[in-house]
Parts: sequence; C-alpha cells; structure tokens
Amino acid sequence: DGGITQSPKYLFRKEGQNVTLSCEQNLNHDAMYWYRQDPGQGLRLIYYSQIVNDFQKGDIAEGYSVSREKKESFPLTVTSAQKNPTAFYLCASSQGLLPSNQPQHFGDGTRLSIL
Amino acid sequence: GIQVEQSPPDLILQEGANSTLRCNFSDSVNNLQWFHQNPWGQLINLFYIPSGTKQNGRLSATTVATERYSLLYISSSQTTDSGVYFCAVSMDSSYKLIFGSGTRLLVRP
Repeated sequence: DGGITQSPKYLFRKEGQNVTLSCEQNLNHDAMYWYRQDPGQGLRLIYYSQIVNDFQKGDIAEGYSVSREKKESFPLTVTSAQKNPTAFYLCASSQGLLPSNQPQHFGDGTRLSIL
Repeated sequence: GIQVEQSPPDLILQEGANSTLRCNFSDSVNNLQWFHQNPWGQLINLFYIPSGTKQNGRLSATTVATERYSLLYISSSQTTDSGVYFCAVSMDSSYKLIFGSGTRLLVRP
C-alpha cells in the first residue's frame, strides 16, 4: 500500500544525545515536511523539502537537522542543541513542487521522550 | 501571518447526535484541510476543501472562501469519532500548513 512510514513509534533520548527519526514515503511525492506537536497543541513546521538535496527551515528549526538524499526519504535529527525535544513528531508529504495546493498526507508519528 | 481559529475548543456529545465544527481564517487561502487525530495520535485526512462542499459518509464539509470560514458536519456521531479535529490552511505562494488549535470531541455511548 502507498503511504508514509515513520519509525520508530517511540524513542527515548538521553541528555546530550542526538537521535534520528526516520520518514519514508512510497507515494512518489516531491515535497516532504516535518512537524512537531506538543500536548494539547496544533502542529508546527520544523523543516520542509521540495526536491532531493534541497531543504528549507520552517518556523522552529533550531536544534534540528534534516537531509534529503533520496526522494523517498527525509530523516530528521534531533540534536543536543534542542533543549526541549519531548514531543510528537509527524512527517508529511504532498504531490508536486511548492508552492502547492495539493493536500498533505501524514505518517503515524514518533513520540520522543527524554530520559 | 494568517490566523486560524477553531470553535468550539471542546465538545461532548451523546452517541447519535449531530455536530458542527467551525474554522475561521484571517486571509485568503489556496489549501484547506480537515484532519481527525485519533487517541493514538494518527492524523487522518478527512477533507481537502479550499472551497465548496464535500461529503464522505456521515461527514461533510463546506468552505466559503470569500467569507473565510469552513464548517465540518458530523452526523449520527459514534464513539469512534472521538479525538481532536484540526483545520489547517495554506496561502498562495506558501509552503506550509498553518494549524488551528483543534476541537476536542468526546462521544459518549
């Protein structure tokens, strides 16, 4: 089935540790996005990418990094510089280049917690 | 930037009741989506509806772009409808969805 796969579902991080969240899509979508959701809140954009080897900062990019080496994959690294990383992370994708009026489709998310 | 306001913030229904959720936005948009986030956190696309009316089973949505609002109708609600309903918009020449703060729905059996 076509869709977006995020892994792992749950992730625990120690202080000072970098962790990487995986996002893979087989929808042949051009654009991919990472959002962060805090409890009781809506989603906020961290990074987005329109094409391979290109990505742009969203509203809350500090403490995060991404790469886009393949069209299907858009991993997010939460670095030790992110002081409050505990949150629910959602990856999304959409068809076509940006700006786009195509709907965004979401993965099932990764819950990151600090030990 | 564009503001997205959803109402009501919380809603409790008895199973079988109907409800209307509202989303107001402060500027012209080229994309409007309604999502349902279930208790496990999954964000499910309900409608892509920058204008007009769409129906899908017990759910329907209407967006009046000129008046900058959208409505989501839930008829004959079921306990599985519980969760948070988000409205999200994006503007022309924009790359990102702006989310409202959501309507938290609880349907009691």
